Amino acid sequence: NAGVTQTPKFQVLKTGQSMTLQCAQDMNHEYMSWYRQDPGMGLRLIHYSVGAGITDQGEVPNGYNVSRSTTEDFPLRLLSAAPSQTSVYFCASSFRTGVGEQYFGPGTRLTVT
Amino acid sequence: AQSVAQPEDQVNVAEGNPLTVKCTYSVSGNPYLFWYVQYPNRGLQFLLKYITGDNLVKGSYGFEAEFNKSQTSFHLKKPSALVSDSALYFCAVRILSSGSARQLTFGSGTQLTVLP
Repeated sequence: NAGVTQTPKFQVLKTGQSMTLQCAQDMNHEYMSWYRQDPGMGLRLIHYSVGAGITDQGEVPNGYNVSRSTTEDFPLRLLSAAPSQTSVYFCASSFRTGVGEQYFGPGTRLTVT
Repeated sequence: AQSVAQPEDQVNVAEGNPLTVKCTYSVSGNPYLFWYVQYPNRGLQFLLKYITGDNLVKGSYGFEAEFNKSQTSFHLKKPSALVSDSALYFCAVRILSSGSARQLTFGSGTQLTVLP
């Protein structure tokens, strides 16, 4: 199993550009989520999904969109990039029960200039 | 609302000495508690979890954590630290309820440095 994969690893955007961060998992996990990691702030939940076709907002959803058309994929879209979105983005997945651990991807380091 | 606090941004310990990384939590129900470790330029890796039962939980790489309900704490411990344990450690809490049932709330992280 590849686990949770994310692409790209690094990305530089100009203010106002849009892009999609890709996330895929091959563990048949129902639950997937996106976090951003900023120094001194831990991980903050952006959006999550409890299954194909179902998504919901987390703590910091503004400026981001998600969709979940398949169990495996959970892309994160930046609609109009802003310098405040400079961060490291992690995708994670887990079984739906809520008591299991989450498996994290390697992260995407995004810089918005 | 649920929250997690890691009161120490940085912990330094000599190799071979015991280590403790502190975590306290605040929830309105029964907590599910987790510890994750992050090595440089990597994603988070699961170390251990407390769901129910024995208050002392053993996890990967010789780490353990003690759940203390009266003190609302879940400190991470290891009897003898290794230089390779140097990393960023995150405590996280989840409660099972309707609505935000599966959201995991993370602490701000503690950088552990083990000195040779």
